[in-house]
Amino acid sequence: GQQLNQSPQSMFIQEGEDVSMNCTSSSIFNTWLWYKQDPGEGPVLLIALYKAGELTSNGRLTAQFGITRKDSFLNISASIPSDVGIYFCAGHTGNTGKLIFGQGTTLQVKP
Amino acid sequence: GAGVSQSPRYKVAKRGQDVALRCDPISGHVSLFWYQQALGQGPEFLTYFQNEAQLDKSGLPSDRFFAERPEGSVSTLKIQRTQQEDSAVYLCASSLDRYNEQFFGPGTRLTVL
Repeated sequence: GQQLNQSPQSMFIQEGEDVSMNCTSSSIFNTWLWYKQDPGEGPVLLIALYKAGELTSNGRLTAQFGITRKDSFLNISASIPSDVGIYFCAGHTGNTGKLIFGQGTTLQVKP
Repeated sequence: GAGVSQSPRYKVAKRGQDVALRCDPISGHVSLFWYQQALGQGPEFLTYFQNEAQLDKSGLPSDRFFAERPEGSVSTLKIQRTQQEDSAVYLCASSLDRYNEQFFGPGTRLTVL
């Protein structure tokens, strides 16, 4: 089935540093999404990307939808302690609406 | 209560028991999804409802898994004769329609002993 490969698996950074994570797929997606999940909670949508090549920002977050529609990256600038959590990329094919998720990137920020 | 709610939040079952997990979607949301999240993994799709119709159940791992949404709002995911490999967090999500943002509930953590 469809799979998303997300990297890195985990990151441990200093507060104030920038972070970059990416996601690749063997299949084309119509929409790329980035979610954050805190312990004991469900994923929360951070950024949605709808067009190949699209670059979208949401505060300190920036994400891009790859030209081939098979990849995406998420950047977090000037990290703060509350950025700690697990970040997931997800692809959406648009037929039934089901999301295909990556394995997640665990981010830890040292104050 | 503006968000998606799920109950129970935690469930411990002995192997072979049946369990029922409940999802209350956001009022007015037509689409409802169930996902299974194993420890250290991303959520995996189980099934999708549009109103009361189950349009996609391709992700259900076996015939022991059954989901329903009889009145197009609350949904129940039932697992019969639970096995240890069923241990996971079960997430429910709802959206205005299948093309819109999916809002997730907090999940039910199922542990099968």
